[in-house]
Amino acid sequence: DAEITQSPRHKITETGRQVTLACHQTWNHNNMFWYRQDLGHGLRLIHYSYGVQDTNKGEVSDGYSVSRSNTEDLPLTLESAASSQTSVYFCASRADSKDTQYFGPGTRLTVL
Amino acid sequence: QQQVKQSPQSLIVQKGGISIINCAYENTAFDYFPWYQQFPGKGPALLIAIRPDVSEKKEGRFTISFNKSAKQFSLHIMDSQPGDSATYFCAASIKRGTNAGKSTFGDGTTLTVKP
Repeated sequence: DAEITQSPRHKITETGRQVTLACHQTWNHNNMFWYRQDLGHGLRLIHYSYGVQDTNKGEVSDGYSVSRSNTEDLPLTLESAASSQTSVYFCASRADSKDTQYFGPGTRLTVL
Repeated sequence: QQQVKQSPQSLIVQKGGISIINCAYENTAFDYFPWYQQFPGKGPALLIAIRPDVSEKKEGRFTISFNKSAKQFSLHIMDSQPGDSATYFCAASIKRGTNAGKSTFGDGTTLTVKP
């Protein structure tokens, strides 16, 4: 079955380190999204992509970057991790002309 | 500026009761309004969604009521069950244009259904 996976599921890192969170989907969806989820803030959009080589900033993009070299993957990089980036990160994908977003299982990131 | 406001933050309902969660939006360009259900340790999953051309949509025990003039929509869970205990998010998005498909989420409601 097609699916969307994230790795790692849990990550502990130190302030200042570079961290990359992986997102892989097998639906061949062009549209992919990264969100962070914090208590009391719901899901906030970090970056999104409408296709290969396309990336766009969301509402909370500072300190994060993404690249889209193929349809299946949208890795999220924290250039220099900060304690404020401790959160649960969700990747999602959506097919063209469809409304439903499919979410991955999430990555819990702790920055010490 | 929060574009989608959700209330209440938490809700406790007895088994068999009705759970009601409300959302209000500001951007009149929104034209797709989904509700997501999230269990602990899992990603959100689409529960039910509505477009602004209808005032109500029902799927089993779940109903969305939509009031376009008031820019409000709500989720009703009839005959609430302990298995419905989860966090519920409303969202809004635009189907076309440069912001197509980007969802703006409410802050979530934690529902607890007591047996």
